[in-house]
Amino acid sequence: ILNVEQSPQSLHVQEGDSTNFTCSFPSSNFYALHWYRWETAKSPEALFVMTLNGDEKKKGRISATLNTKEGYSYLYIKGSQPEDSATYLCACDILTGGGNKLTFGTGTQLKVEL
Amino acid sequence: DGGITQSPKYLFRKEGQNVTLSCEQNLNHDAMYWYRQDPGQGLRLIYYSQIVNDFQKGDIAEGYSVSREKKESFPLTVTSAQKNPTAFYLCASSIRPSGGRYNEQFFGPGTRLTVL
Repeated sequence: ILNVEQSPQSLHVQEGDSTNFTCSFPSSNFYALHWYRWETAKSPEALFVMTLNGDEKKKGRISATLNTKEGYSYLYIKGSQPEDSATYLCACDILTGGGNKLTFGTGTQLKVEL
Repeated sequence: DGGITQSPKYLFRKEGQNVTLSCEQNLNHDAMYWYRQDPGQGLRLIYYSQIVNDFQKGDIAEGYSVSREKKESFPLTVTSAQKNPTAFYLCASSIRPSGGRYNEQFFGPGTRLTVL
């Protein structure tokens, strides 16, 4: 079973702080890296999908980078707001005999305080 | 309004009883998936189906069964053989990945199952 790791497990920041999380994954059979945002009592929502080494994606104050050679991705949040409080999941999209499957990390739980 | 629905949101069952969790999607997606979440663990794949009338075991299929008789529906049965069934269950769907397309999955809101 593929091992996808996220750190830190949880994070408390003050409103206005910038923060970042890490997702590491084995680079063999890699196809894509997905980031999801999961707010309490809601469905996980896709943020980014990246496929190429060096990819950078941005959506508002949130951005992500990908390094497939060393097997990691960073998610950055600039100027955190209380509405950013959520669990951020990364998932590695790998090619298998049974088609693409996602393997998820355990998530980083972010709490932004006023 | 396209999306994935799971019902019920909370479910309680007595030990030894089978229970079926519902998952319906109107996104016209070919592929559907069931995941389980436990505290401190990532989402783990139970079963997936890439096309109607076909499904494959995921990483933790023991004690579970599924069916895929319709494109829109992928119910999961938690049987009495599942040793630790209390968990949060998430259903997802995607366009069937093929020929260089990544597997972007869309999720339902989940069902929390508690076995007493």
